[in-house]
Amino acid sequence: SQQGEEDPQALSIQEGENATMNCSYKTSINNLQWYRQNSGRGLVHLILIRSNEREKHSGRLRVTLDTSKKSSSLLITASRAADTASYFCAATGGYQKVTFGTGTKLQVIP
Amino acid sequence: GAVVSQHPSWVICKSGTSVKIECRSLDFQATTMFWYRQFPKQSLMLMATSNEGSKATYEQGVEKDKFLINHASLTLSTLTVTSAHPEDSSFYICSAPQGDTQYFGPGTRLTVL
Repeated sequence: SQQGEEDPQALSIQEGENATMNCSYKTSINNLQWYRQNSGRGLVHLILIRSNEREKHSGRLRVTLDTSKKSSSLLITASRAADTASYFCAATGGYQKVTFGTGTKLQVIP
Repeated sequence: GAVVSQHPSWVICKSGTSVKIECRSLDFQATTMFWYRQFPKQSLMLMATSNEGSKATYEQGVEKDKFLINHASLTLSTLTVTSAHPEDSSFYICSAPQGDTQYFGPGTRLTVL
């Protein structure tokens, strides 16, 4: 399977704490994106990092990319109850094909 | 950002019938669209790449005769699940790229009785 791996599979934290999710992928990529999905709903695009970038910020989100290790991390700072969702990394390779990670289910406890 | 719509958002059908799902890029053109399937509590798995004006490219293990894809215009791709069975019940999501970013439809939940 070309599917990427994410860890942890599930994460439960208190509101205000930081949440870190890690993603590994298998193929060469053009970029890597992170999405969130609320239960049974569609995907919401969070942030994109290109293969020549190492770190990117957007609001409370910080993404890192290490192409030598084929890994990425997503940090959500000062978490809120509304951040409760599943988070997926998605690696874009040739022909714009996207391979998703297995996902991290985040629960933020108020 | 760009908007991708899907129709219907949910559908219930009897076993043996066929179901068509539409994916539209509303404010941009897409020569390529992608179809994914997501089983409960699992990640998205790419099923096929839909190519405008040519045949779709299917991922390994996906039956092309069962999941018919038609990309008739630059803003519309359709996925038809033929002779649906209960094991085809799933959440089907399409995406279309604009620039570097993939934009996803809201998904279609298919339940086959």
